[in-house]
Amino acid sequence: EIVMTQSPATLSVSPGERATLSCRASQSVSSNLAWYQQRPGQAPRFLIYGASTRATGIPARFSGSGSGTEFTLTISSLQSEDFAVYYCQQYNNWPRTFGQGTKVEIK
Amino acid sequence: EVQLVESGGGLVQPGGSLRLSCVASGFPFDSYAMTWVRQAPGKGLEWVSGISNSGDITYYADSVKGRFTISRDNSKNTLYLQLNSLRAEDTAGYYCAKNWGGFDYWGQGTLVTVSS
Repeated sequence: EIVMTQSPATLSVSPGERATLSCRASQSVSSNLAWYQQRPGQAPRFLIYGASTRATGIPARFSGSGSGTEFTLTISSLQSEDFAVYYCQQYNNWPRTFGQGTKVEIK
Repeated sequence: EVQLVESGGGLVQPGGSLRLSCVASGFPFDSYAMTWVRQAPGKGLEWVSGISNSGDITYYADSVKGRFTISRDNSKNTLYLQLNSLRAEDTAGYYCAKNWGGFDYWGQGTLVTVSS
């Protein structure tokens, strides 16, 4: 099983600032990496697939990069609605696996 | 508009069974693989099971293998998850999701509570 490790566990950021979230895979997943946002009480929301392609309707302030084992999600200028938990997930191998999540909180 | 609506959750005793359903609309259901993901209270996301578009290939997390069964009825646009031999650690919200470069659409989830 591929283990996905996200860092940091919690990120404190002021509105308008940049947030950089990391995700590491225990072995290569190529570019088969997705990112999700989850707000309290809501289902996860699909943000990024193929490591760097924004899903339909996702604002341009969200960007993804990386391949192989190292990946990054960047939120260029945090808006109030962006404070949430973010998960990475690999879909290169079975079983599919998620990272443990990074909580982005207001500083 | 894509919609996924789960049902079937509830309170069940340890060792009991439940069947979850997920009714899909707004896309050609029989063209897409589907997935169940769960989330224990206050915890992260855990992939549970996946099924191919035709239903002939299935995958399971080790934590549920031999106890849970995923299936689908493409004539009814419905995905199922049969949960048997339930344990306290299976307590979670269960989400169905459509597969496309990850999981592009999710339902709102149904809560399963395993407790005596």
